Amino acid sequence: QLQLQESGPGLVKPSETLSLTCSISGGSITTSGYYWGWIRQSPGKGLEWIGSVYSSGNPYYNPSLTSRVTISVDPSKNQFSLRLTSVTAADTAVYFCASHRSAVAETWGRGTLVAVSS
Amino acid sequence: EIVMTQSPATLSVSPGERATLSCRASQSIKSDLAWYQQKPGQAPSLLIYGAFTRATGVPARFSGSGSGTEFTLTISSLQSEDVAVYYCQQYHDWPPLTFGGGTTVEVK
Repeated sequence: QLQLQESGPGLVKPSETLSLTCSISGGSITTSGYYWGWIRQSPGKGLEWIGSVYSSGNPYYNPSLTSRVTISVDPSKNQFSLRLTSVTAADTAVYFCASHRSAVAETWGRGTLVAVSS
Repeated sequence: EIVMTQSPATLSVSPGERATLSCRASQSIKSDLAWYQQKPGQAPSLLIYGAFTRATGVPARFSGSGSGTEFTLTISSLQSEDVAVYYCQQYHDWPPLTFGGGTTVEVK
C-alpha cells in the first residue's frame, strides 16, 4: 500500500526558503501515470494546491505561486521535494504531499506544519 | 481559474438523518469533480471521484451526483464518525487544481 511521509524544518525565517521532502513507500515514484504533488492548508483555512510533478518529471504549478515554487523528483531516493522561496507569514501552513492520478489525490501524507517566523 | 463554491459552510444533522452538501463550479467541469473528507487533526481522504464514483473502502451511505456546474454529496444516514470537513475539488481544467472552501458537518 502506497504511503507518503513529509519531512523538513518546522520553522523558517521570513524571506528564506522553505524546503520539504516527501518519502514514498509501497510504490515507486517512476510509476507511469502518477503525479506527485504538494497541497497546503493555512491554520483554520481550506486547501490550496501548490503544484505537482508528473512521473516523467514535468512540473505543474499554481500560477499564484509559480514564481517561488520548485517541485522536483529524486528517483534514486524514491522522494520528491518542494522548495518555496522568499517565504512570509502567509506561507505558514500544514503542508501535505499527495499522489494523484487524473489529478485526484488518492493518497496523502499526514502533513507537516511549517511556521514562518523570525 | 475555476472557482469552486461550497454551501452551506456548516451543516448540523441529527444521527441517522440525511446530510446534503453542495458544490458549484464557476464554469462547466463536466464530471471532473472529487470530494474529500477531512476529520479533525487528519489529512484529507478521497471519498468520491468522477462526481459519483466512490473511492475504495468508502461506505455506501456516501453518494455523489451532478455534472456541469452543480454537484451534491449526500450522506444518507449520518453517523458520528462522519463529523468532518468536506471539500470538493475540480480537475477539469488545471493548473491550477482548485478546491471549494469546505463544509463542516456536525452532529446535532
